[in-house]
Amino acid sequence: AQSVTQPDIHITVSEGASLELRCNYSYGATPYLFWYVQSPGQGLQLLLKYFSGDTLVQGIKGFEAEFKRSQSSFNLRKPSVHWSDAAEYFCAVGRGGATNKLIFGTGTLLAVQP
Amino acid sequence: DVKVTQSSRYLVKRTGEKVFLECVQDMDHENMFWYRQDPGLGLRLIYFSYDVKMKEKGDIPEGYSVSREKKERFSLILESASTNQTSMYLCASSFREAGELFFGEGSRLTVL
Repeated sequence: AQSVTQPDIHITVSEGASLELRCNYSYGATPYLFWYVQSPGQGLQLLLKYFSGDTLVQGIKGFEAEFKRSQSSFNLRKPSVHWSDAAEYFCAVGRGGATNKLIFGTGTLLAVQP
Repeated sequence: DVKVTQSSRYLVKRTGEKVFLECVQDMDHENMFWYRQDPGLGLRLIYFSYDVKMKEKGDIPEGYSVSREKKERFSLILESASTNQTSMYLCASSFREAGELFFGEGSRLTVL
């Protein structure tokens, strides 16, 4: 069965430091992959998505993610974190090759220290 | 600006009550979804709809039903609320084959 694993439940970084959030998926074919962010008290917002082509994808708010088929990973990165990036981050994969029926990971809660 | 509106941000209900959660989108999206969000479990799909009057079960449909009589509105119904349905409920919508879901702000339901 398809699944998404986010191994880090909670991460704390200092403002200005770099960030990498891990995501691993299981799916036999080329997956559709997504990262969403949920700010406190809000719904989820799409940061970026990978469908095909260049394995390094750029998203909003200065985030990027790299698809690595050999590692079944789609890690999210940002070179310099801002206090406003404190939120919960969800990785998701399209189930059965669909682009909008998603299976979500359990989320990583990011705290940013001044 | 695209918008998915969930009618109630916070609800408190008693065990056995019938509960309606309403969701309206103004983007003319074909697809609408109801997810349940619980700490440590992420988002789990309850039901989705590809068109008016069409619905399909997601991963955790037990204890829930849905209604989509108009394209813009998708309702989640708890026929007889139970304490284990205390949760955050998120509605989302998308175009038919597009890759982006647009989410509402959520409805936090407490069942006593």
